[in-house]
Amino acid sequence: DGGITQSPKYLFRKEGQNVTLSCEQNLNHDAMYWYRQDPGQGLRLIYYSQIVNDFQKGDIAEGYSVSREKKESFPLTVTSAQKNPTAFYLCASSITSSYNSPLHFGNGTRLTVT
Amino acid sequence: GQQVMQIPQYQHVQEGEDFTTYCNSSTTLSNIQWYKQRPGGHPVFLIQLVKSGEVKKQKRLTFQFGEAKKNSSLHITATQTTDVGTYFCAGQDTGNQFYFGTGTSLTVIP
Repeated sequence: DGGITQSPKYLFRKEGQNVTLSCEQNLNHDAMYWYRQDPGQGLRLIYYSQIVNDFQKGDIAEGYSVSREKKESFPLTVTSAQKNPTAFYLCASSITSSYNSPLHFGNGTRLTVT
Repeated sequence: GQQVMQIPQYQHVQEGEDFTTYCNSSTTLSNIQWYKQRPGGHPVFLIQLVKSGEVKKQKRLTFQFGEAKKNSSLHITATQTTDVGTYFCAGQDTGNQFYFGTGTSLTVIP
């Protein structure tokens, strides 16, 4: 079955540590996205990538970094510079970044930093 | 900047009652998409509206896109417990970025 796989489902880290969230897709989609979801705030865009080896900052990129070395993979690193990292992180992909391409989401990673 | 406002934030209905959620954009959109997120789950694409004034139906769900392409609504007729979840609208502008509404959390009381 084609889809997006995020791992792990739950992640716990100590403050001051960097942590990398995995996102893999086998849908052959060009575009990939990372969103952060907090209660009552909807989905906020962290980073997106329209093609391999290219990515752009979203609305809340500070304290995060990404890479897109392969079409299938778009890992997100939450650095120690992110002031409030505890959240639900969703990875998504779409066929292209142009309009009329709906988003397909992974199951998400719930990150807790203490 | 671009904003998509969605109301209400929460809605509790008795099973069998109707439900409507509304989205309003500060600017004209290229299209609007609707997603449903079940409790503990991830958003799942429901539908996309592209044309001014467009109306689409999926069984008990009716989706509308405003004439000015700045607002949209999702109406559920005769809600069922399977309708429980958070409904998000997501507008795309000419730059192809998605702008998500804050979502409406629907609770259906049996």
